Amino acid sequence: ETGVTQTPRHLVMGMTNKKSLKCEQHLGHNAMYWYKQSAKKPLELMFVYSLEERVENNSVPSRFSPECPNSSHLFLHLHTLQPEDSALYLCASSQDRPQTTNTIYFGEGSWLTVV
Amino acid sequence: AQSVAQPEDQVNVAEGNPLTVKCTYSVSGNPYLFWYVQYPNRGLQFLLKYITGDNLVKGSYGFEAEFNKSQTSFHLKKPSALVSDSALYFCAVRDPGSSASKIIFGSGTRLSIRP
Repeated sequence: ETGVTQTPRHLVMGMTNKKSLKCEQHLGHNAMYWYKQSAKKPLELMFVYSLEERVENNSVPSRFSPECPNSSHLFLHLHTLQPEDSALYLCASSQDRPQTTNTIYFGEGSWLTVV
Repeated sequence: AQSVAQPEDQVNVAEGNPLTVKCTYSVSGNPYLFWYVQYPNRGLQFLLKYITGDNLVKGSYGFEAEFNKSQTSFHLKKPSALVSDSALYFCAVRDPGSSASKIIFGSGTRLSIRP
């Protein structure tokens, strides 16, 4: 149990579907993240929310749409995805305070397959 | 600019033998350094971190890591490997003056422990 819960753990969707990934953190953190992990590629930071404001959006295609309704919940809305979007999507959280360690804690991930 | 390198894609060790997973980094000033482990079909799990102080840091599951400033290294070690240690290990670095989202992850080293 990491304190960061992701659902669903596995998702198969067609290219015309709309689905969402959900993340909830129980660590009292004020920052949340979406990462993408593909085979044979480095971890890619997609989005960062700090105090519910999006502070980073690393050139992610608009078919990925994040939502952070409060500091404990983070969603990734998926629409018109491509097969190359198939990957493990990791949610993470941390405290984001100056001059502190701000260790990032990850969820178990959501395996996404686009067919 | 900060960077981190894990020079070995794969490390193979016999059960009961000591193991080392290598990591070198580049960052201006004193770094924050982290190790994470990823078991099959799971998310990244925080193992240990170096902030300041004692160069030998102890973490979960009997792992430890040694910070060596002159060699800019932060190698992960364990005196006696277990088959259950087989997993993917990530080293990460961050400039203490930056936010948590600026953490840089290495490409990962797959550790395989044979019975």
